[in-house]
Amino acid sequence: DVQLLESGGGLVQPGGSLRLSCAASGITFSTYGMSWVRQTPGKGLEWVSGFSGTGDYTFYADFVKGRFTISRDNSRNTLYLQMNSLRAEDTAIYYCTKAHASSGYYPFPFDYWGQGTLVTVSS
Amino acid sequence: SYELTQPPSVSVSPGQTAIITCSGDKLGDKYTFWYQQKPGQAPVLVMYQDIKRPSGIPGRFSGSNSGNTATLTISGTQAIDEADYYCQAWDNSVVFGGGTRLTVL
Repeated sequence: DVQLLESGGGLVQPGGSLRLSCAASGITFSTYGMSWVRQTPGKGLEWVSGFSGTGDYTFYADFVKGRFTISRDNSRNTLYLQMNSLRAEDTAIYYCTKAHASSGYYPFPFDYWGQGTLVTVSS
Repeated sequence: SYELTQPPSVSVSPGQTAIITCSGDKLGDKYTFWYQQKPGQAPVLVMYQDIKRPSGIPGRFSGSNSGNTATLTISGTQAIDEADYYCQAWDNSVVFGGGTRLTVL
């Protein structure tokens, strides 16, 4: 079975940093696109960043460019999201997602999701 | 930036057909994807590339996309289909619709 297990969430002050991790199992991790998608409690979904299926290209939503960095370690089957200069509006559940086999070059659609890790930005 | 618009809510009686729409400029020129999310759970992909069902998704789910509107149709809706549904497309970035709460009365 495919499993995605996020960690690294927590409470951080505005302007602070956090690093999220996503440990994947049950897949040949290096061959799939991966993404981070967030959801504000009680609100909708918002894509944050992703890796191409080829693993050599990264995608970012405009609102995180320059603040967040996505990376992956294929030897550890782990996806990361380094989040700097955090703002109150970044408060959300962050989901790690795997791209469906049909995705080709793109990091979507998302056919497997982790259970999410909560990031709270507050003083 | 590109926007996808969904009705906030749709209600349907058990056994009837539920139709959830997603509107965007020339959306029919793009692929649309649909996700189902039940309370306290992560979303589940229920439709990809407009009309394709992932493995394990029941045949009562179908999709279409033309013009400015994509549609997710659930035939013979069951109580277990009650959930939030989100459409998604790509326009130089991943875009999600605001979500539609399907209530099975």
